[in-house]
Amino acid sequence: QVRLQESGPGLVQPSATLSLTCTVSGYSINTGYYWGWIRQPPGKGLEWIGNTFHTGLTYHNPSLQSRVTMSIDTSKNQFSLTLNSVTAADTAMYYCARALLASDGVDTWGQGTLVTVSS
Amino acid sequence: SYELTQPPSLSVSPGLTASITCSGDKLGEKYVCWYQQKPGQSPVLVIYQDTKRPSGIPERFSGSTSGNTATLTISETQAIDEADYYCQAWDSSTVWVFGGGTKLTVL
Repeated sequence: QVRLQESGPGLVQPSATLSLTCTVSGYSINTGYYWGWIRQPPGKGLEWIGNTFHTGLTYHNPSLQSRVTMSIDTSKNQFSLTLNSVTAADTAMYYCARALLASDGVDTWGQGTLVTVSS
Repeated sequence: SYELTQPPSLSVSPGLTASITCSGDKLGEKYVCWYQQKPGQSPVLVIYQDTKRPSGIPERFSGSTSGNTATLTISETQAIDEADYYCQAWDSSTVWVFGGGTKLTVL
């Protein structure tokens, strides 16, 4: 059974960089699928951040594109997210996710990790 | 930027049918998915590619699209269906976009 697990700091200083990693177990990232990040501010709706493919091809939400970097490490079966120049508005539950095809939606979600931006 | 609009809330009595709408420009030309999210849990995919149900999702859940509107229909609604529901759209020229979510109350 495929499992996704987010990891990273729960508290980030304003203007700093948020870095998260998603570790995949039960499935090899090399095989395919889209691997992505979705966030949800407390009490609010879902926001797509971006997807990366096992080839390294990435797609980002245009509203975040200038601050987002995504990467994939097939040797560790992990993929990562960095978000620069964070503000309080970036406080959210961050989920890593898997989709077979972009049209298929997310079939597997991580449990989520809460990141708070505060001094 | 592309936007999807959902009603913030919907109430339904147990045993009746709940219809949650999602509207967006030329939505019928895009693929639509629906997710169910219960408090404190990660979302769960209940409909993909407009009308398809993933394995393990009850037949009570169905999806449809017409023009600029996609609809998630839950037949014979049960208390366990009480949750937030999100639509999500994709096409080859855009990226993923989520609707604002609909809180379904079963009472």
